[in-house]
Amino acid sequence: KAGVTQTPRYLIKTRGQQVTLSCSPISGHRSVSWYQQTPGQGLQFLFEYFSETQRNKGNFPGRFSGRQFSNSRSEMNVSTLELGDSALYLCASSLAGAEETQYFGPGTRLLVL
Amino acid sequence: AQTVTQSQPEMSVQEAETVTLSCTYDTSENNYYLFWYKQPPSRQMILVIRQEAYKQQNATENRFSVNFQKAAKSFSLKISDSQLGDTAMYFCAFMRVQGAQKLVFGQGTRLTINP
Repeated sequence: KAGVTQTPRYLIKTRGQQVTLSCSPISGHRSVSWYQQTPGQGLQFLFEYFSETQRNKGNFPGRFSGRQFSNSRSEMNVSTLELGDSALYLCASSLAGAEETQYFGPGTRLLVL
Repeated sequence: AQTVTQSQPEMSVQEAETVTLSCTYDTSENNYYLFWYKQPPSRQMILVIRQEAYKQQNATENRFSVNFQKAAKSFSLKISDSQLGDTAMYFCAFMRVQGAQKLVFGQGTRLTINP
């Protein structure tokens, strides 16, 4: 069974631009979570989607948004990029969310100049 | 709010040795899950082991085992017969059973296995 895939793997943007990252979960998995990893803040939870609905949201500004499609694929969008948004963005999927282990994709490394 | 603390920023051992990584956590929950993930230089986050809080028996996965002390809120990872491929960042993580389906991570321990 294929693992979690994320595209693109690397991205360079400039301040003020917006970016969309994509995540395809493991086949059959319905829950998708997003995390931001930075050297200073470590790994922080962004949001979780299940059956096309955002179930949980972390403490991030409204510039960070996401959505999930009927095939469970998910996208996250960051608008008006700031230098501090430079990070590794990790997507994780699980079968149904509760009591299920999350499996991670390889991540998208975003650099904001 | 839950917090996870890994007190060892870096560790280094020789190949074939046994190494133990420490993790403590703080929660008022009674039911929860604990995980160890490893992140090698490729940055891919890989599940190492999972422990359900309601289980008294410590989880094991081949060379990896945990020492789960619920009362002390301690969850250490023991790697036996360490291999060069075990070199990675190791993250301890907590997840509630009820409520927000999110992992709360510790700061990580950078483990280096030397030949």
